[in-house]
Amino acid sequence: NAGVMQNPRHLVRRRGQEARLRCSPMKGHSHVYWYRQLPEEGLKFMVYLQKENIIDESGMPKERFSAEFPKEGPSILRIQQVVRGDSAAYFCASSKLAGENTGELFFGEGSRLTVL
Amino acid sequence: AQSVAQPEDQVNVAEGNPLTVKCTYSVSGNPYLFWYVQYPNRGLQFLLKYITGDNLVKGSYGFEAEFNKSQTSFHLKKPSALVSDSALYFCAVRDGRGSSASKIIFGSGTRLSIRP
Repeated sequence: NAGVMQNPRHLVRRRGQEARLRCSPMKGHSHVYWYRQLPEEGLKFMVYLQKENIIDESGMPKERFSAEFPKEGPSILRIQQVVRGDSAAYFCASSKLAGENTGELFFGEGSRLTVL
Repeated sequence: AQSVAQPEDQVNVAEGNPLTVKCTYSVSGNPYLFWYVQYPNRGLQFLLKYITGDNLVKGSYGFEAEFNKSQTSFHLKKPSALVSDSALYFCAVRDGRGSSASKIIFGSGTRLSIRP
């Protein structure tokens, strides 16, 4: 039973380029969360999605950042026109359906974005 | 709005001694509380959770945590520390109000260092 899969594990972009980070949740999980972790800092909530719906995007910057979780395929975190300050580790986590959901998250290994 | 605080950036303990990592929280409804551990360049791993019931919860690797409603705390403890416990520890909270899903907020993390 595969865990949460994130790719790429490492991504290097130049300022102004686009970064796309992908996350495949655990089998049977329909809730996905994205968090950002800066070096030597904690996890900052970005967005919470269910299939085809954004539940809470209160932690996501209003500009340049977007997220989706389509009916088929992985969740995508997209960062347009990247800047150096976007350099961070981006973690995806998944959990079970609401109702069975007591909140335990299963995390991927993270995608580390470096902006030159 | 929900929040969680970890007042100590670092905790240093000698191997074999008891350890405590502190966490306090704030939510509007009933709290769902969690502890996660992160090893270098890895994703977070679930340790334990409190949803309801006994205030003392036991988790992985000999860790336990005590829920204290009056002090709004959920401190992580272990009777006898191991060098291998050295890692970054995160407390997290979810607002359990209602049946709808809600985001999980993480503390800033506490680095636990166990010296031989």
